[in-house]
Amino acid sequence: DAGVIQSPRHEVTEMGQEVTLRCKPISGHDYLFWYRQTMMRGLELLIYFNNNVPIDDSGMPEDRFSAKMPNASFSTLKIQPSEPRDSAVYFCASSLAGWVSGKDTYEQYFGPGTRLTVT
Amino acid sequence: DQQVKQNSPSLSVQEGRISILNCDYTNSMFDYFLWYKKYPAEGPTFLISISSIKDKNEDGRFTVFLNKSAKHLSLHIVPSQPGDSAVYFCAATIRGSQGNLIFGKGTKLSVKP
Repeated sequence: DAGVIQSPRHEVTEMGQEVTLRCKPISGHDYLFWYRQTMMRGLELLIYFNNNVPIDDSGMPEDRFSAKMPNASFSTLKIQPSEPRDSAVYFCASSLAGWVSGKDTYEQYFGPGTRLTVT
Repeated sequence: DQQVKQNSPSLSVQEGRISILNCDYTNSMFDYFLWYKKYPAEGPTFLISISSIKDKNEDGRFTVFLNKSAKHLSLHIVPSQPGDSAVYFCAATIRGSQGNLIFGKGTKLSVKP
């Protein structure tokens, strides 16, 4: 398997522009997570989906952030309008949580991340 | 309020010696713990995990120890290798919580040849 795929790897945009980050989870995984990593706050969960349904979006910082998962193989995180304080690395992760193959497992598999710079 | 804390931002160890990375947690409901390794410009990679029903889990050079009464876990790497140089994240969750992981801020390990 190719692992979790994210695009773009780098994004530089001007304040006020719309930014869309994309993620393809590992095939067969039923959970998808979006994280943001900054020096100040570390890795923080923004939102996660189970079977394409948003379960918890309490980590989404503001209404400017939105996420969708139209099908099991694709998700987007959109920021509109973007601001300089949104500059961070955004990770997507997927998992099969719970009891798998006779073993309790909660490992999440991360993509390479998208480094977003808003000027 | 940090529920998972890694109080050492960095650690430097000589090649061949033991590396010990520490992690503390405050939420007594946490019952499953994971360690991730992260290289620059890559996503975190799962390393090893432990359930609260155990106090030790070993995988090759990596061993995780869990002290529930102290709400403390540690990752031991023996022997340390230069390729182990990375940022290590501790994470915790509650089994059955649908895998919502809470991460520490990480410890940067440098293994010197």
